[in-house]
Amino acid sequence: DAKTTQPNSMESNEEEPVHLPCNHSTISGTDYIHWYRQLPSQGPEYVIHGLTSNVNNRMASLAIAEDRKSSTLILHRATLRDAAVYYCIRGYGGSQGNLIFGKGTKLSVKP
Amino acid sequence: DARVTQTPRHKVTEMGQEVTMRCQPILGHNTVFWYRQTMMQGLELLAYFRNRAPLDDSGMPKDRFSAEMPDATLATLKIQPSEPRDSAVYFCASGLVRLGNNEQFFGPGTRLTVL
Repeated sequence: DAKTTQPNSMESNEEEPVHLPCNHSTISGTDYIHWYRQLPSQGPEYVIHGLTSNVNNRMASLAIAEDRKSSTLILHRATLRDAAVYYCIRGYGGSQGNLIFGKGTKLSVKP
Repeated sequence: DARVTQTPRHKVTEMGQEVTMRCQPILGHNTVFWYRQTMMQGLELLAYFRNRAPLDDSGMPKDRFSAEMPDATLATLKIQPSEPRDSAVYFCASGLVRLGNNEQFFGPGTRLTVL
């Protein structure tokens, strides 16, 4: 059970920002939020992760709600290469390292 | 540029045959994962190892699947005997897992077709 909820699909226009939502209302205090994406015919790749504070890296930003029951992955300027399935994952507290993938959001980017 | 490698990339076999998939994790990573992906089930975690010791293989059908790490540079996933329902893409991933950091690096996958 992935215990996260994401829309099945979203569309975006190239060079526009994209906000991908994720609900994780049962998240515990020690669970991190991870985002991975899977480009067509490739393995998943890490995007970003966070615990409480908003996070930025070269790929994206992660905005975490104050109550931690939801988060949003932000792609600042979508490119055609960003078309992929985006997975929001609860990383269970502790150092086990295992991730439970849900169905994800399929992002389409239009030129 | 360190990356996870998997062999073979594609495998077509007949039902009942043994299949062995291999994975070379990134040097220095302490955890290796095996996943299976199908259209119906999505990405499923089959098993994972920490410092070569099996941590959890509860996602794996025990009667026909086995996973091992004979050394730090090689992880194997074996299916014997294979069945058509095993057709899927099998991914290996590795990571230097520690508290709060579950970043995993995935290989390109092995696409298995069992006829």
